[in-house]
Amino acid sequence: KAGVTQTPRYLIKTRGQQVTLSCSPISGHRSVSWYQQTPGQGLQFLFEYFSETQRNKGNFPGRFSGRQFSNSRSEMNVSTLELGDSALYLCASSLQGEQYFGPGTRLTVT
Amino acid sequence: GQNIDQPTEMTATEGAIVQINCTYQTSGFNGLFWYQQHAGEAPTFLSYNVLDGLEEKGRFSSFLSRSKGYSYLLLKELQMKDSASYLCAVRSGGSYIPTFGRGTSLIVHP
Repeated sequence: KAGVTQTPRYLIKTRGQQVTLSCSPISGHRSVSWYQQTPGQGLQFLFEYFSETQRNKGNFPGRFSGRQFSNSRSEMNVSTLELGDSALYLCASSLQGEQYFGPGTRLTVT
Repeated sequence: GQNIDQPTEMTATEGAIVQINCTYQTSGFNGLFWYQQHAGEAPTFLSYNVLDGLEEKGRFSSFLSRSKGYSYLLLKELQMKDSASYLCAVRSGGSYIPTFGRGTSLIVHP
């Protein structure tokens, strides 16, 4: 069974731009979660989608948003990028609780 | 909220045994996870404890004491490839999503 895939793997954007990241979960997994990982803050939860609905949300500003499609694929959008948004963005899918992570998207904001 | 504490860094010798501790404060505890993350890679699931006691899986074992808010990950017969960050994550209340600690960076030297 294929694992979680994320695209793109690397991205460089400038301040003020917006970005969309994509995640395809493991087949059969309906829960998709997004995390931001930085050296200073560790792994921080952004939001979780289940059956196209946002089920849980972390403490991030409204510039961070997401959605899930009927095939469970998910996208995350960050608008008005700031330098502090530079991070590794990880997507994880789950069937019964344990999170299976994708390889991540490394976003650099200049 | 939750408070999860792990040591920032540990070092050990190849072939030895190392114990990585994790303490947490939470209400409505509903499971504890351990993940391994190599530099530049995504976290991978190691273990899940929801009841007190020791769960053994090959060279890795995880222990949980719910009354003490304490868990440890035990790595035996250390290998150089075990050098990685080890993340403790706690799920609580009605949330399906675990909260991650900052991780413990383990360095295994010859």
